[in-house]
Amino acid sequence: GDSVTQMEGPVTLSEEAFLTINCTYTATGYPSLFWYVQYPGEGLQLLLKATKADDKGSNKGFEATYRKETTSFHLEKGSVQVSDSAVYFCALYGSSNTGKLIFGQGTTLQVKP
Amino acid sequence: GAVVSQHPSWVICKSGTSVKIECRSLDFQATTMFWYRQFPKQSLMLMATSNEGSKATYEQGVEKDKFLINHASLTLSTLTVTSAHPEDSSFYICSADPTGRGELFFGEGSRLTVL
Repeated sequence: GDSVTQMEGPVTLSEEAFLTINCTYTATGYPSLFWYVQYPGEGLQLLLKATKADDKGSNKGFEATYRKETTSFHLEKGSVQVSDSAVYFCALYGSSNTGKLIFGQGTTLQVKP
Repeated sequence: GAVVSQHPSWVICKSGTSVKIECRSLDFQATTMFWYRQFPKQSLMLMATSNEGSKATYEQGVEKDKFLINHASLTLSTLTVTSAHPEDSSFYICSADPTGRGELFFGEGSRLTVL
């Protein structure tokens, strides 16, 4: 079945460092891919998305490119801030999922001043 | 964007009692809502899909008699944890997908602590 695998955390960075959080997926068909973010004590919110191969999703300085050849959707940011500290979830939505979003296990990012 | 609201945001109850959590879509109608449980080490587990006017669809391993879901209107779904025990303590999150394309909008979450 469809699945999403994220790099294990926590990821600890200094402010202004470059961020990469790896995400790979397994799916039949042509899924849509998402990154969701959960700030401390809050629910999840959509960060960015890509619906087809080679699409790049971007928001708040974060980017991720849908790579079908490597089945990946890595999240990147050029310069992180303390306020980016959160848990990041990669997710997949595909035609075989009957309307369900499949989440990765989440990666905690801690940014220190 | 679409707004989904949960209530209560936190609740503490005694073992053996039942607790109801409400999930409302504030600015759209949701024929389907999703209930997730989040464990201490972050993983998000889909518990069930709530369907307006019909029975919920539970994921494998989720006890339907333990976690009662009712979706009586297009803007409200409820999760009732019956005869709660300490192992039911968790963060419960609801969501809806108004676009039908996997763009979920999440409630704020409800933290349940069973003593």
